[in-house]
Amino acid sequence: GQNIDQPTEMTATEGAIVQINCTYQTSGFNGLFWYQQHAGEAPTFLSYNVLDGLEEKGRFSSFLSRSKGYSYLLLKELQMKDSASYLCAVDPGSSTLGRLYFGRGTQLTVWP
Amino acid sequence: DTEVTQTPKHLVMGMTNKKSLKCEQHMGHRAMYWYKQKAKKPPELMFVYSYEKLSINESVPSRFSPECPNSSLLNLHLHALQPEDSALYLCASSQGPEETQYFGPGTRLLVL
Repeated sequence: GQNIDQPTEMTATEGAIVQINCTYQTSGFNGLFWYQQHAGEAPTFLSYNVLDGLEEKGRFSSFLSRSKGYSYLLLKELQMKDSASYLCAVDPGSSTLGRLYFGRGTQLTVWP
Repeated sequence: DTEVTQTPKHLVMGMTNKKSLKCEQHMGHRAMYWYKQKAKKPPELMFVYSYEKLSINESVPSRFSPECPNSSLLNLHLHALQPEDSALYLCASSQGPEETQYFGPGTRLLVL
């Protein structure tokens, strides 16, 4: 089976930096996605990694190590509006026809 | 533009009712998805349409019936639902079946 693991909850203070980890064990690998989801709303796409290394997009960065089955999402200069659930999702590859496997989500709470 | 629209936003229905959820995108995406999401859980894939053909059915009960009338539209027909089917129903689309998925705002369904 496909296994995606991430912490359930994290807390941080405004202005700080937080790193949300995701480990995966899947039958193949065709990319890893990070989504942000505020309570009661739809997931919003944040980043996509398919090659090893760091992808930076403003305050958010995402890192991938395929050999370790590991990714993290780095959020800098935290703001209250960053309080949300962060979902890690893996596409295992063509045999799964575009099916994404999601982790349980990490609920991030940012305190003033 | 990465907009996926869904109607209605909220739906309350009885167990004997028949209703439909609608999803639309005008980004030229050729893959469309239905997900079900319960509170504090990740989205669960229900169906995938690729080039207007059903490519994945995740063993969803027949009381859920998907339909893809054309490349821009995706419907989910509901009949004889159970209270445990109450959830947020999310539609997503992507350029192709292995590309980044963009989610609509969802329909919050309550079955009484």
